[in-house]
Formats: sequence, structure tokens, C-alpha cells
Amino acid sequence: DQQVKQNSPSLSVQEGRISILNCDYTNSMFDYFLWYKKYPAEGPTFLISISSIKDKNEDGRFTVFLNKSAKHLSLHIVPSQPGDSAVYFCAVRGLSGGSNYKLTFGKGTLLTVNP
Amino acid sequence: DSGVTQTPKHLITATGQRVTLRCSPRSGDLSVYWYQQSLDQGLQFLIQYYNGEERAKGNILERFSAQQFPDLHSELNLSSLELGDSALYFCASSPPSGTSGGLAKNIQYFGAGTRLSVL
Repeated sequence: DQQVKQNSPSLSVQEGRISILNCDYTNSMFDYFLWYKKYPAEGPTFLISISSIKDKNEDGRFTVFLNKSAKHLSLHIVPSQPGDSAVYFCAVRGLSGGSNYKLTFGKGTLLTVNP
Repeated sequence: DSGVTQTPKHLITATGQRVTLRCSPRSGDLSVYWYQQSLDQGLQFLIQYYNGEERAKGNILERFSAQQFPDLHSELNLSSLELGDSALYFCASSPPSGTSGGLAKNIQYFGAGTRLSVL
């Protein structure tokens, strides 16, 4: 049973436009939400995060929105650039026994930004 | 460069064999995590070590085992390999609790991965 779902395996947008990547989760106990970006032949790299006590966090061209009632997370990239083309993973943080936390990842969305 | 080093980058082996994947975490990081990424799958958490001790287990098969050594590097051992074990294996590390950096508790820094092909 997937606790984190990224329902769009791929997304294609035009350079300069907005990219919106979506993520749904099932467990209301998750307390931190992260986005990672992955280029081919590299490991995932941390991009941006948001705490469950907030509904928006912005970092340059990247903004993450959290809708707790809908258990929905989204990443907005504006304006999109060709260098943003990568796989984007949504990850959620939850307790894994005692005070230990663990991340659960979605399957990823391949973003292609066309020049 | 994340600072996490994984070796080897590629590994080709046969069914039934045993392999060892190695990970050196970022300097100062005490936690090491192992993940498996199969085709069309997300990152599946396998196991976590913290300062030499197993801290959490995920979907790790009994044929797989890991350890973290006193110098904090970690090894993932995969035995009796099957075709379905072919995947990318990632190692990640994270800073100790209380380290500056906001949610340092679980920002994980990933290595470039080891691609395992079982033929």
C-alpha cells in the first residue's frame, strides 16, 4: 500500500512556463515533506521542504504548497528552465519507532522542460 | 557533489552470487541509509544505521544484510542474488540530531548509487 503517491509519471512544459508537480499522502502523522530532484546517473539531491505547521515555503523559483486537509503536496517551479528537466521525488517524514524518523518516497515524476 | 561516496558504480554478476556495496557518508554524518530503486519504482527504504548500530529496517530481504563500521562507512551485502535484485542501490547520510540546518534530522544526502545487474 503506497503511502506516498505521485500520480503523474511524467510532465512536459515549455521553458518560461510554470511546472506543477503533485504528491498525495495517506498518513496525517507525517510531519515534514520534502522534494528531491534526480538527474540521470546521479543520486537524488534535496531541493526544498515544508513543515506540517506551514502551508507554503518558497525558495527562489521553487515553491512548495501543503494542503493538510487534502493530504496533498505540490511543487511549483516558475519560470521553468531546461536545466530543471529531471525526476522529482516527493518524500514524507514520519516516525519509525521511538524517536527515529524515516523518509518515504513517491515513485517520482519525470519533468521535461522544452526550450 | 553530495559528499557521499558509493563504490562500485556498476556491478554485473550472476544469479546465486554474493556482492558487497560500499558507502562512505559525508564527513560528520552518523546516519547511513540504504535504498533500492527498481525499474519504475520509487526509492524503497532498506535499512538505517546510526553510529554503528542498526536503527530502522524497511523492506529488506533476509538475503540482504548491512553493517556500519567504526569509521562510519557502511556495507550492504546481497547474497543468493536473483534476477529481480537488479536495481540501483543508493546510500544516503544525514547529520546528527541537533545539527544546524533546519530539519537536519532527516535531510538525507545521497550518493550517486551502485547499479547492480544480475544476469
